[in-house]
Amino acid sequence: DTGVSQDPRHKITKRGQNVTFRCDPISEHNRLYWYRQTLGQGPEFLTYFQNEAQLEKSRLLSDRFSAERPKGSFSTLEIQRTEQGDSAMYLCASSLPRGQGLSSYEQYFGPGTRLTVT
Amino acid sequence: AQSVAQPEDQVNVAEGNPLTVKCTYSVSGNPYLFWYVQYPNRGLQFLLKYITGDNLVKGSYGFEAEFNKSQTSFHLKKPSALVSDSALYFCAVRGENTGGFKTIFGAGTRLFVKA
Repeated sequence: DTGVSQDPRHKITKRGQNVTFRCDPISEHNRLYWYRQTLGQGPEFLTYFQNEAQLEKSRLLSDRFSAERPKGSFSTLEIQRTEQGDSAMYLCASSLPRGQGLSSYEQYFGPGTRLTVT
Repeated sequence: AQSVAQPEDQVNVAEGNPLTVKCTYSVSGNPYLFWYVQYPNRGLQFLLKYITGDNLVKGSYGFEAEFNKSQTSFHLKKPSALVSDSALYFCAVRGENTGGFKTIFGAGTRLFVKA
């Protein structure tokens, strides 16, 4: 499967614990995005990477959230001191580099990591 | 500020009938508009986009959408619905002038196609 993959698919944690999610984008995609989706809502933008550089961050991303993409390939999203309000589906997406024509505007999404904080 | 509105939580159509899922947007500058579909237990899949050019864009699975600048709308359409089209549909927008890559999604419209 050459699509976007995310690990784990499900995570149950207790309030106050730290969690880390991983995203592996499509190999030729240099752009990577993280979104959060709660029940009944569309995905909400969290952050964006171009190669290893984090170029945009939403105000939704509090100090407890951090994302990295150290080598410009896979990315991790860490949530420290989880709260019940963090329970959501965390989605990763990737897209082609700029200059690849109109296809570079399309984002390809992974299956998501569902986080439940008890 | 960018925003997307999908005024219908659910759309019900009979198989074989035409379907329309509505979307309106607000954005600074020219809009880049997208439709994505989400099937149960699967990730979002790209359906179609409007970036520039013809106002009527065609996408996957026989879907099409019409960009209407004066009405700031980008409604999704299909001439003949299939039961397998039943899913959750999201409209999304990114503004040409935002300078970044933040894409705003609507809350989604659940399409139910009855056999």
